[in-house]
Amino acid sequence: KAGVTQTPRYLIKTRGQQVTLSCSPISGHRSVSWYQQTPGQGLQFLFEYFSETQRNKGNFPGRFSGRQFSNSRSEMNVSTLELGDSALYLCASSSQGLTNEKLFFGSGTQLSVL
Amino acid sequence: GQQVMQIPQYQHVQEGEDFTTYCNSSTTLSNIQWYKQRPGGHPVFLIQLVKSGEVKKQKRLTFQFGEAKKNSSLHITATQTTDVGTYFCAGQGDSWGKFQFGAGTQVVVTP
Repeated sequence: KAGVTQTPRYLIKTRGQQVTLSCSPISGHRSVSWYQQTPGQGLQFLFEYFSETQRNKGNFPGRFSGRQFSNSRSEMNVSTLELGDSALYLCASSSQGLTNEKLFFGSGTQLSVL
Repeated sequence: GQQVMQIPQYQHVQEGEDFTTYCNSSTTLSNIQWYKQRPGGHPVFLIQLVKSGEVKKQKRLTFQFGEAKKNSSLHITATQTTDVGTYFCAGQGDSWGKFQFGAGTQVVVTP
């Protein structure tokens, strides 16, 4: 069974640009969560999608958005990039997104904003 | 801000020594999970604790969930170089919706 796949692996953008990251969950998993990881800050929850609907949202500005498709693949978009958006963006999938399920993480997309 | 605090942020351990990392929440958690992230890698699930006072062991790793379900600990005995990485706790509180991760404890092991 293939794991969680994130593309691209690395991205370099400049301030003001926008970026779209992609995440393909494990086959059969319907819940996809997105996290931002920066040194010393751990993993900050962005949002979670289940059956094409955003079910939970973290405390990030509206520049951060996402969506999920009928095949459970998810995309995350960041508009008007700022230097502080430089981070590793991880997505994680689980079967139903229930509280007792473990998360399976992808390798992440390393975003650098110059 | 962070609702789950993890200490220490950094731990330098001599091979063969024991160490403990702690996770604390200001509110009661419904459950807590622990993940390990190797350098350059992604977080990998280690264990989940659900019951008050629960203790689980995985070889040299011992996980505890506090009686009040507000704190947890990970104790590693006889540290090996394979234990290098960052250990995260992730708490689930009913009002949060999803897991809130601690900042992690970065473990460096000296041979």
